[in-house]
Amino acid sequence: AQRVTQPEKLLSVFKGAPVELKCNYSYSGSPELFWYVQYSRQRLQLLLRHISRESIKGFTADLNKGETSFHLKKPFAQEEDSAMYYCALSGRETSGSRLTFGEGTQLTVNP
Amino acid sequence: DTGVSQDPRHKITKRGQNVTFRCDPISEHNRLYWYRQTLGQGPEFLTYFQNEAQLEKSRLLSDRFSAERPKGSFSTLEIQRTEQGDSAMYLCASSFIRNTEAFFGQGTRLTVV
Repeated sequence: AQRVTQPEKLLSVFKGAPVELKCNYSYSGSPELFWYVQYSRQRLQLLLRHISRESIKGFTADLNKGETSFHLKKPFAQEEDSAMYYCALSGRETSGSRLTFGEGTQLTVNP
Repeated sequence: DTGVSQDPRHKITKRGQNVTFRCDPISEHNRLYWYRQTLGQGPEFLTYFQNEAQLEKSRLLSDRFSAERPKGSFSTLEIQRTEQGDSAMYLCASSFIRNTEAFFGQGTRLTVV
């Protein structure tokens, strides 16, 4: 079974502060991990995926298979980062590459 | 807008009525997914199509739910005899077969009263 856990429903930081959104997963095979973001009144969109190993909008995430984690980090948060963030998993052994999402973390960056 | 589009954006219906939603994926995408999202939760997988074939259905998809993708292009999701528990945001997404990046529509918000 696939499971994604985001322990924090709400996270509030000040502009310029570091931010870390936690994500833990459970999957017995080879996972592919993603972070999706939903800004206010916009559709869900891909922020980054672990296989790309990119930094998008200053965010990075490293897959730690030992700790089964994929935490999202940004060293200096900006007000425009305020959004709902979802961690998601796709199992390579799962047909169709469907996504299993966590419950989401609402990030608020205060001025 | 060349993204995934869903229609209608909002639907209010009385309990017991049937409703149908439409999703138009990105035209080159072979795979089409339906997800359901309730308040405070992440999206939950319902079903997916590869071209016109429906290849997987979640146990969340009761027999009151049916989805089609008749020509491998747009898809419809029908809910028969709606219940209040069906109230949710219904999301459609599409992707290429060999690319796991899914592109989402803006969703259809269903309210059953």
